[in-house]
Amino acid sequence: AQKVTQAQTEISVVEKEDVTLDCVYETRDTTYYLFWYKQPPSGELVFLIRRNSFDEQNEISGRYSWNFQKSTSSFNFTITASQVVDSAVYFCALSPMKTSYDKVIFGPGTSLSVIP
Amino acid sequence: DGGITQSPKYLFRKEGQNVTLSCEQNLNHDAMYWYRQDPGQGLRLIYYSQIVNDFQKGDIAEGYSVSREKKESFPLTVTSAQKNPTAFYLCASKSLRHSEAFFGQGTRLTVV
Repeated sequence: AQKVTQAQTEISVVEKEDVTLDCVYETRDTTYYLFWYKQPPSGELVFLIRRNSFDEQNEISGRYSWNFQKSTSSFNFTITASQVVDSAVYFCALSPMKTSYDKVIFGPGTSLSVIP
Repeated sequence: DGGITQSPKYLFRKEGQNVTLSCEQNLNHDAMYWYRQDPGQGLRLIYYSQIVNDFQKGDIAEGYSVSREKKESFPLTVTSAQKNPTAFYLCASKSLRHSEAFFGQGTRLTVV
């Protein structure tokens, strides 16, 4: 079975604080992709990052960083010096690597509120 | 600009009526997907299509139907058999080259 868990339903931080969004996944596939998407109030899901299961190198993009640990099946997302524009629902997702058209399994999402 | 267009943005339907949600993409993507989102829940897959004239049921296909007559278009019909259709519906597409899906802006359906 494949499953994505985001234990934090809602998080509130004050602007400029750092915040980490947790993601734990379950899969029997040996090769897979992991994703993070952002859903602002407008509703559209915006793709943030993709990681391959065989590449555990952490990644940094501006104020965003991602920590992938295969040993604990986790793919956590950290926002440094948060801003009000970061307020959104963030989804972690998993997809097998068998074919490019495989379905994507989403976690329940974490709603982040950044307070000015 | 390339992208995925969903229409309408808001839709109201009376109980017992069928309604069709539009999804069009000009990204030349082969695969298209329909997801349903309920408050506090993640996205659940309704139907997906990997190629024209072919589609597969997702996890919650009951009460829904789709067609894929053109590569660019993947309309979703919410039938009267869907017992709780009020939700936010998202359409997505993927290409062979990329593993990530790209999403439209969604349609919020309310049954009145």
